[in-house]
Amino acid sequence: DTGVSQDPRHKITKRGQNVTFRCDPISEHNRLYWYRQTLGQGPEFLTYFQNEAQLEKSRLLSDRFSAERPKGSFSTLEIQRTEQGDSAMYLCASSRSGGYNSPLHFGNGTRLTVT
Amino acid sequence: AQTVTQSQPEMSVQEAETVTLSCTYDTSENNYYLFWYKQPPSRQMILVIRQEAYKQQNATENRFSVNFQKAAKSFSLKISDSQLGDTAMYFCAFMKHEVAGNNRKLIWGLGTSLAVNP
Repeated sequence: DTGVSQDPRHKITKRGQNVTFRCDPISEHNRLYWYRQTLGQGPEFLTYFQNEAQLEKSRLLSDRFSAERPKGSFSTLEIQRTEQGDSAMYLCASSRSGGYNSPLHFGNGTRLTVT
Repeated sequence: AQTVTQSQPEMSVQEAETVTLSCTYDTSENNYYLFWYKQPPSRQMILVIRQEAYKQQNATENRFSVNFQKAAKSFSLKISDSQLGDTAMYFCAFMKHEVAGNNRKLIWGLGTSLAVNP
């Protein structure tokens, strides 16, 4: 168990640019989640995959956001035409199926700064 | 809709002392899960303790225990023998019971920043 890995740790970009983040979940976990966390707030749910299927997407996720999980392994989160309001920590988590008995394991996050 | 409230934005405690962090939630569900997560300055979110709503016995994990009051919709975290490494943001979170059709997302409180002082 090498844990959930996120890349990059930090990303600084100019407004209007596109950015892509990657998340590698724990290998036997079939569920993968993306959350966004701004300073002083708890994480906000963005989207959730079970294997390669994107089962839920928050209304927070505008058309500029897209997430994929090809082959049910790693996932990418892309933000197009970034805005300053997109500045946040983007957290990835993974779990097995099973709710209580399968808590989420989080990565270290990717901190995005849009200038 | 479910909501989670943590009414203490900041708390501090002396090393070796005991501290209790409060959490209340609102839901119409009868069965659900509750969690406390810790986010140290290094920022990785780590599960501290969890509780199933249908279990009356309070969960305990070493120095961490909860006081789960289902009728009052309260889920407080007690940290005994506080250590410097316990300094972190603590988040209370709620998840609906695992059945088909229920979403799997966690609903989070705003967090409590705990400082353990030497």
